[in-house]
Amino acid sequence: AQKVTQAQTEISVVEKEDVTLDCVYETRDTTYYLFWYKQPPSGELVFLIRRNSFDEQNEISGRYSWNFQKSTSSFNFTITASQVVDSAVYFCALSGRFRETSGSRLTFGEGTQLTVNP
Amino acid sequence: KAGVTQTPRYLIKTRGQQVTLSCSPISGHRSVSWYQQTPGQGLQFLFEYFSETQRNKGNFPGRFSGRQFSNSRSEMNVSTLELGDSALYLCASRTGEQETQYFGPGTRLLVL
Repeated sequence: AQKVTQAQTEISVVEKEDVTLDCVYETRDTTYYLFWYKQPPSGELVFLIRRNSFDEQNEISGRYSWNFQKSTSSFNFTITASQVVDSAVYFCALSGRFRETSGSRLTFGEGTQLTVNP
Repeated sequence: KAGVTQTPRYLIKTRGQQVTLSCSPISGHRSVSWYQQTPGQGLQFLFEYFSETQRNKGNFPGRFSGRQFSNSRSEMNVSTLELGDSALYLCASRTGEQETQYFGPGTRLLVL
């Protein structure tokens, strides 16, 4: 079975602080994909990044960066110089080949509510 | 390109009624998945359709069903509504298996 754990339920920071959101996953698939989504109060899940299990190279996109470490089954997300607009719930998700049937599904973590205060 | 659209955005029903939610995927996307989001259970996978065929199903009772049309639009139906069905229902589309899923704004269902 697949599982994603986001141990931080809520994080509150002051604007311009750096913040790291943790994500730990479990899977028996050898090929899998990891994602981060952002959910603002409006409810829509906004795609941020996708990583496949073969690519452990860290990625930076503006103020966002991601650290994928297969050895510790972690895929952490860092926001540098946080802004009020970053306030949202952030979800880490895992997708892998579903052994019993064709197709795949996303398994989500519980989400981390990030509040950035001015 | 227009994103995933879902209708209606808000819905209020009473116990025992049934409801149909609609999802129009991004143009060119043939796969549509449905997820339920509740405060207690989080985001849970309902089912996935690809080329009008249900390809995968989550652990939900038979009251939850869905279908996909030839134009890739999808509907999900919940019969005999229960209070616990109150949730945000999210639809996602993608071009194919293992590709990134893009989500719609969701339908907020309240069952009274």
